[in-house]
Amino acid sequence: EAGVAQSPRYKIIEKRQSVAFWCNPISGHATLYWYQQILGQGPKLLIQFQNNGVVDDSQLPKDRFSAERLKGVDSTLKIQPAKLEDSAVYLCASSLGPDLSYEQYFGPGTRLTVT
Amino acid sequence: QKEVEQNSGPLSVPEGAIASLNCTYSDRGSQSFFWYRQYSGKSPELIMFIYSNGDKEDGRFTAQLNKASQYVSLLIRDSQPSDSATYLCAVPPPRGATNKLIFGTGTLLAVQP
Repeated sequence: EAGVAQSPRYKIIEKRQSVAFWCNPISGHATLYWYQQILGQGPKLLIQFQNNGVVDDSQLPKDRFSAERLKGVDSTLKIQPAKLEDSAVYLCASSLGPDLSYEQYFGPGTRLTVT
Repeated sequence: QKEVEQNSGPLSVPEGAIASLNCTYSDRGSQSFFWYRQYSGKSPELIMFIYSNGDKEDGRFTAQLNKASQYVSLLIRDSQPSDSATYLCAVPPPRGATNKLIFGTGTLLAVQP
């Protein structure tokens, strides 16, 4: 079974530029999560999708971050414009369903450096 | 008080010893608790979850939950150098309507050969 795929793996941009990350979850997984992990911290949930609908985006900085999962499969996360404090690893995870009894499987992450 | 607190470490133990990792949480209503392992430069992977007070064992790993004292521990018996990683504790948010996880900052474990 293929795991969660993410691209790119690394990205370096200057502040105020835009960037987009892509995630393809495990086939058949209805729930998709985007996390931000700053160095030395645990992952922080940015947004959770159930199929193509948003379940929770309470910690998404909506003035600069946006995410979509139009067809309920793959997803993109965008930052526009980027700030220095956005430097982090952006992790995508997926699970069969939203209940916590379903294990969340994480992708390899995208390491973003904002200079 | 943070929702989930862990000592960042590093916790250094010799090979073959028992490593004890601790996590405290703020919400007395929390029902489920998760331990993830994250190797340097890699993504987190689930190793244990526990719902009930007491111990849950899986191979060399034992999760211990004490709801009265609001802490959950992870014991690793016969520690191996390959266990060297950051261990993240995660709990659902207090009074949350959605099924999401709040992660602690993680404890770095170093097993010395």
